[in-house]
Amino acid sequence: DQQVKQNSPSLSVQEGRISILNCDYTNSMFDYFLWYKKYPAEGPTFLISISSIKDKNEDGRFTVFLNKSAKHLSLHIVPSQPGDSAVYFCAAEGGSQGNLIFGKGTKLSVKP
Amino acid sequence: KAGVTQTPRYLIKTRGQQVTLSCSPISGHRSVSWYQQTPGQGLQFLFEYFSETQRNKGNFPGRFSGRQFSNSRSEMNVSTLELGDSALYLCASARQGRGTDTQYFGPGTRLTVL
Repeated sequence: DQQVKQNSPSLSVQEGRISILNCDYTNSMFDYFLWYKKYPAEGPTFLISISSIKDKNEDGRFTVFLNKSAKHLSLHIVPSQPGDSAVYFCAAEGGSQGNLIFGKGTKLSVKP
Repeated sequence: KAGVTQTPRYLIKTRGQQVTLSCSPISGHRSVSWYQQTPGQGLQFLFEYFSETQRNKGNFPGRFSGRQFSNSRSEMNVSTLELGDSALYLCASARQGRGTDTQYFGPGTRLTVL
């Protein structure tokens, strides 16, 4: 049973527009959420995180929103740039094991 | 500072063989976690080592094992390889590996089982 779900396998956005990547989770024990970005032939790179005590965290062009009641988080990239084209993974930490649990990823394509 | 390194980067093995992958964490990091990435399942947690002890384990069969040395370097071993073991194996290091401690990933080892 998937505890972290990214229901959109791919997303295409025009350069300069907003990219919104979504993630849903089922385990209410998760207390820390992260987004990683992955380019081909490289390992995932940490992008931004949010603690469950917050509902928003912003870092430059990247903002993560957390809606605990809906068990939903989203990553907003504004404005989107072609260099943002990558696979984005949502991850959650907490629960009984304490390790990171990843979604299956969303492939973002930003077109010039 | 140097990042997480993994060797080898690519491996081709046949069914039934065994394989050992190596991971060198960032200097000062004591936690090393291993993940398997496949197109169908995404990133799945294998196990985590901290101070030479396995601290956490995912839902993988006993054919997957690991260890950590006193310098925090870690190895992962897969015995009796199956076709389904073909995947990208990623390791990640962290200072303590708990709470808000960020994990830093290596480039991965691409294993192909024929």
